[in-house]
Amino acid sequence: KAGVTQTPRYLIKTRGQQVTLSCSPISGHRSVSWYQQTPGQGLQFLFEYFSETQRNKGNFPGRFSGRQFSNSRSEMNVSTLELGDSALYLCASSWREGSEQFFGPGTRLTVL
Amino acid sequence: KQEVTQIPAALSVPEGENLVLNCSFTDSAIYNLQWFRQDPGKGLTSLLLIQSSQREQTSGRLNASLDKSSGRSTLYIAASQPGDSATYLCAVRAGGTSYGKLTFGQGTILTVHP
Repeated sequence: KAGVTQTPRYLIKTRGQQVTLSCSPISGHRSVSWYQQTPGQGLQFLFEYFSETQRNKGNFPGRFSGRQFSNSRSEMNVSTLELGDSALYLCASSWREGSEQFFGPGTRLTVL
Repeated sequence: KQEVTQIPAALSVPEGENLVLNCSFTDSAIYNLQWFRQDPGKGLTSLLLIQSSQREQTSGRLNASLDKSSGRSTLYIAASQPGDSATYLCAVRAGGTSYGKLTFGQGTILTVHP
């Protein structure tokens, strides 16, 4: 069974640009969560989707948004990038809300 | 607001030693607790998931316990090996009105030297 895949794996952007990251969950999983990992703040929850609905949202500004499609694939978008957005963005999937989460390899975003 | 603390922040042990990693949380209204390992530059690998109604879970050389009333969990690693070197993270999933949100500790960096 294929694991969680994230694309792209690496991304370099400049301040003010926007970016879209993609996550494909494990087949059969309907819940997708997104996290931001930085050396200073550690792992922080961004949002969680289940059956195309956002179920939970972390404490991030409105520049961070996401969506989930009918095939459970998910995208997250960050607009007006800031230097502080440089981080490893991790996606996790689970078959339902609250069940064991399985993580993808992450997308390393660098904002210059 | 849930806060998760992991002690120690770093641990270095010789191969073969048994060790315990600690995780504490401030709000006992949890749904479950999950232990992960993360290798440098990689994503997280799930190790064990304990539901709030359970006391412990075992997988191979790993054993995780949960004491919800005192807000603590431990991860016991038996007969450590160099391949166990990684950062270990515990994550608490909220229950009640905040169902679903996962809060992570800062992690314990484990080094097992031959």
